[in-house]
Amino acid sequence: EAEVAQSPRYKITEKSQAVAFWCDPISGHATLYWYRQILGQGPELLVQFQDESVVDDSQLPKDRFSAERLKGVDSTLKIQPAELGDSAMYLCASSLNEANEAFFGQGTRLTVV
Amino acid sequence: KNQVEQSPQSLIILEGKNCTLQCNYTVSPFSNLRWYKQDTGRGPVSLTIMTFSENTKSNRRYTATLDADTKQSSLHITASQLSDSASYICVVRGYGGSQGNLIFGKGTKLSVKP
Repeated sequence: EAEVAQSPRYKITEKSQAVAFWCDPISGHATLYWYRQILGQGPELLVQFQDESVVDDSQLPKDRFSAERLKGVDSTLKIQPAELGDSAMYLCASSLNEANEAFFGQGTRLTVV
Repeated sequence: KNQVEQSPQSLIILEGKNCTLQCNYTVSPFSNLRWYKQDTGRGPVSLTIMTFSENTKSNRRYTATLDADTKQSSLHITASQLSDSASYICVVRGYGGSQGNLIFGKGTKLSVKP
């Protein structure tokens, strides 16, 4: 069964360091999402791609966060420099297009110390 | 402002018992509503999807209801099992433009005890 792949599953980093997460969506899915989920809260959208284009990054803290999906397939989310408040689960999801069901990956649990 | 409110925040029940989780939303115009199950440390997995014209939909021991007039949905779990322990998240999609974004509730944390 096709899945959204994310790596790493867990990441511990010191504050002020750079960290990157990778996501490989389900093959053929044009829409890709990055979400941040703080413990006990629902996911919050950081950025949405349609193919290689950003369609919504209004909630992305652009001073420290960046995201790219250069070939419209896999995607990378980067944080530089990491802050203590960035500790959270980072979820990637993909869908055939914006109107279809979003399938989530297992997430990357980030701890900033 | 588009919002999705879930209740209760957390719930503890005994194995074999039934329970009902609530979701109220203000998203308009409305496209669909999904219930996701999220095990601890894992990504959410879709249980059901409800569109405007659907009132009830079942998936094994999960039954979702939708009242589009009052903007309320419920998820009923029958004969709970220990494996039902998870967070259940209500997600509403609006229709068109930025309203097409997914709006997530904060979830209900369900604990099923033996």
